[in-house]
Amino acid sequence: DQQVKQNSPSLSVQEGRISILNCDYTNSMFDYFLWYKKYPAEGPTFLISISSIKDKNEDGRFTVFLNKSAKHLSLHIVPSQPGDSAVYFCAASAVQSSGTYKYIFGTGTRLKVLA
Amino acid sequence: DTEVTQTPKHLVMGMTNKKSLKCEQHMGHRAMYWYKQKAKKPPELMFVYSYEKLSINESVPSRFSPECPNSSLLNLHLHALQPEDSALYLCASSQEPGTDYGYTFGSGTRLTVV
Repeated sequence: DQQVKQNSPSLSVQEGRISILNCDYTNSMFDYFLWYKKYPAEGPTFLISISSIKDKNEDGRFTVFLNKSAKHLSLHIVPSQPGDSAVYFCAASAVQSSGTYKYIFGTGTRLKVLA
Repeated sequence: DTEVTQTPKHLVMGMTNKKSLKCEQHMGHRAMYWYKQKAKKPPELMFVYSYEKLSINESVPSRFSPECPNSSLLNLHLHALQPEDSALYLCASSQEPGTDYGYTFGSGTRLTVV
């Protein structure tokens, strides 16, 4: 049962345009969401996060939007650059009975920014 | 130092071998994690250590044995693995075991079990 889903396995965007990566989740207990970027042969790199009490968080070229009623979040990259080409994972977390938070990752979207 | 260092980067082991994966961070992070990632799949959580104590074990088989000798080190001891255990093993750490902090991931150890 995949609680965090990224339905687009790949996305190609022209340099300078907007990249929109989508993520859907099923567990209403998730209260914190993150986006990670992963290059080949490297570990994931934290990009941006959003708490469930917000609907938008911005950091430079990256903006994350959260629609709690739709259980949907998206990552916007504007303008897209060739160096943004990577696999992007969204992750969601909820506190466990032990008091520790556990992140569940989506399946990833491979973004290719064309020069 | 803002990195999580994992060694070795690659490991090939037989099904009867005993080996260990190592993870080290000097950022003062108090939570450390082991993830397993198969090809074209998301990272899957295996273990969480919070303040050097095991706080989450995601029903991982006992052939995987984590150890946290101190706040900077995390080991994963491997014994009698199966070929299906071949994967990328990622270590991560976070400042506190809570949601306000993103993880810092290591580059991973690519394990092949033959």
